[in-house]
Amino acid sequence: KNEVEQSPQNLTAQEGEFITINCSYSVGISALHWLQQHPGGGIVSLFMLSSGKKKHGRLIATINIQEKHSSLHITASHPRDSAVYICAVPNNNNDMRFGAGTRLTVKP
Amino acid sequence: DADVTQTPRNRITKTGKRIMLECSQTKGHDRMYWYRQDPGLGLRLIYYSFDVKDINKGEISDGYSVSRQAQAKFSLSLESAIPNQTALYFCATSDLRTSLVNEQFFGPGTRLTVL
Repeated sequence: KNEVEQSPQNLTAQEGEFITINCSYSVGISALHWLQQHPGGGIVSLFMLSSGKKKHGRLIATINIQEKHSSLHITASHPRDSAVYICAVPNNNNDMRFGAGTRLTVKP
Repeated sequence: DADVTQTPRNRITKTGKRIMLECSQTKGHDRMYWYRQDPGLGLRLIYYSFDVKDINKGEISDGYSVSRQAQAKFSLSLESAIPNQTALYFCATSDLRTSLVNEQFFGPGTRLTVL
């Protein structure tokens, strides 16, 4: 079993729909990261969170430490949100473990 | 200008050839990492370095070597490339001072194809 599991692997939505991507992990953490990888390949950090909830614009990330589970939500989705979303968890202070990613396609 | 750069961005080579991928950063970070990404798999750590001359093996170091001669540069070598090393390679950096949260900053990636 992978240390970081994401679901779904692929997700297609219509513009305007509410999106949820899930991440479950088995390693101990100090903070969980959500990353976005655009079709060109570049990876950017969206959120770091260690408790509760964070919101940036239409993106909301939540985490439940006890259940070792995090969700990334996108409200009023738009085609430009199409990307691969990756959950990452520090394995220790030396490196991180990454989920396989969720490929999101938002159709106009 | 990008804070973390990688060269080349794309490379096609033949089995048995020696390949070097370069990573440079202007963020002043101590820690640098090399990852590979394969379809359907998460990023996997190849090597990491906490400082100049410091080298540590990651999850999948076999077939690779690295060099950290300067704080700003971390190079990855494939001594004798093989087809299953075809992948997207990412360099990343992080700041020792924020190591507890371990936020990493990624380069744009190098797409390597070994024929």
